[in-house]
Amino acid sequence: SYELTQSNSVSVALGQTARITCGGDDIGSRNVHWYQHKPGQAPVLVIFRDTNRPSGIPERFSGSNSGNTATLTIVRAQPGDEADYYCQVWLGRTFSVLFGGGTRLTV
Amino acid sequence: EVQLVESGGGLVHPGRSLRLSCVASGFALEDHAMHWVRQTPGKGLEWVSGITWNSEKIVYVDSVKGRFTVSRDNTKNSLYLQMDSLTREDTGTYFCARDRIVRSSSWYEFDSWGQGTLVLVSS
Repeated sequence: SYELTQSNSVSVALGQTARITCGGDDIGSRNVHWYQHKPGQAPVLVIFRDTNRPSGIPERFSGSNSGNTATLTIVRAQPGDEADYYCQVWLGRTFSVLFGGGTRLTV
Repeated sequence: EVQLVESGGGLVHPGRSLRLSCVASGFALEDHAMHWVRQTPGKGLEWVSGITWNSEKIVYVDSVKGRFTVSRDNTKNSLYLQMDSLTREDTGTYFCARDRIVRSSSWYEFDSWGQGTLVLVSS
């Protein structure tokens, strides 16, 4: 079965760049979406289909996807960026949806 | 404004049932696929079930197949999750989420989420 692998945690200094990765077999051939989830709140879509940013999401957030790794990049990290970040793909053949295990970002 | 509001969670004994509801406002539910996603204690997000806009395709994660049933009533702008034979492993916060692309035969990103409803399965 398909698996998505994320690091448990990433720490970044204030104002620096955070990179959160999502590994999967040939993930570059799939659409990857990223969600930010803070405790007690609804998850928020921050990147969809690899590189696209929904309206209202700061330009500091960007995404890439190639080969076996998708990456969410947050430049000029702020305290408000502290959250759990999840990658997600749709497994078209089985019509199921898969989330990565999540990465806790600490600024 | 797009809004999703879940309800129906609570404390339930193992083996019992619970029905969750998700009421949508600010958009036409009938145009969108919808999903249930849960977060279990100490773990991350787990997709539970999805239903296409026209209910032609309904899919579940393996761990709930045969126990959970998703349905929708577009006339009431509502999504439901009937959960039977609950186990402690089903404990968590359940979110409903909207699939962004309208009337699609595929599934895409989840662009709107509710605040979630807490389900606690315990004796």
